[in-house]
Amino acid sequence: DAGVIQSPRHEVTEMGQEVTLRCKPISGHDYLFWYRQTMMRGLELLIYFNNNVPIDDSGMPEDRFSAKMPNASFSTLKIQPSEPRDSAVYFCASSLARDTATNEKLFFGSGTQLSVL
Amino acid sequence: RKEVEQDPGPFNVPEGATVAFNCTYSNSASQSFFWYRQDCRKEPKLLMSVYSSGNEDGRFTAQLNRASQYISLLIRDSKLSDSATYLCVVLDSGGYQKVTFGTGTKLQVIP
Repeated sequence: DAGVIQSPRHEVTEMGQEVTLRCKPISGHDYLFWYRQTMMRGLELLIYFNNNVPIDDSGMPEDRFSAKMPNASFSTLKIQPSEPRDSAVYFCASSLARDTATNEKLFFGSGTQLSVL
Repeated sequence: RKEVEQDPGPFNVPEGATVAFNCTYSNSASQSFFWYRQDCRKEPKLLMSVYSSGNEDGRFTAQLNRASQYISLLIRDSKLSDSATYLCVVLDSGGYQKVTFGTGTKLQVIP
């Protein structure tokens, strides 16, 4: 398996532009998570999906952020308009829950390094 | 209070030393616990799960103390390759999982 695939690997954009980050989870995984990591705040959960349905988006910082999962093999995280404080590494992760009580392993993508100038 | 708290470090230890990290969590109903390792500019990767009875994997030992709501990671005979950030992870369940990461403890093993 290729693992979780994220694109782009790096994104440099100007303030006010729209940014779209992409994620392909591991085939068969039914949970997908979007995280943001900064030096100051560490890894923050933004939103997660179960079977393509958004379950908890309380971590999304504001309305400029939106996420979709149109099918089991693809998710996007969009920032519109982007701001310099959005600069961070954005990770996508997926997992397979064998039951509702345990989740043994999160598989992370390589992340997208976003720089908003 | 943060849901999951860790000492950010850095912990600078000589090769061969034993080092221990603690992590506290706020939700007494949390069900599963893990340690992840993250190398610089890389994604986090699972190091080991933490079981109620404690568990060992080679030089690494993880323990859980539910009464005091903390987990620990002990690394014996530290190697240079152990240098990384160690993330404590707590899973809440109840229909759908929510995974919370600590901010990580940085370890630097010195020759």
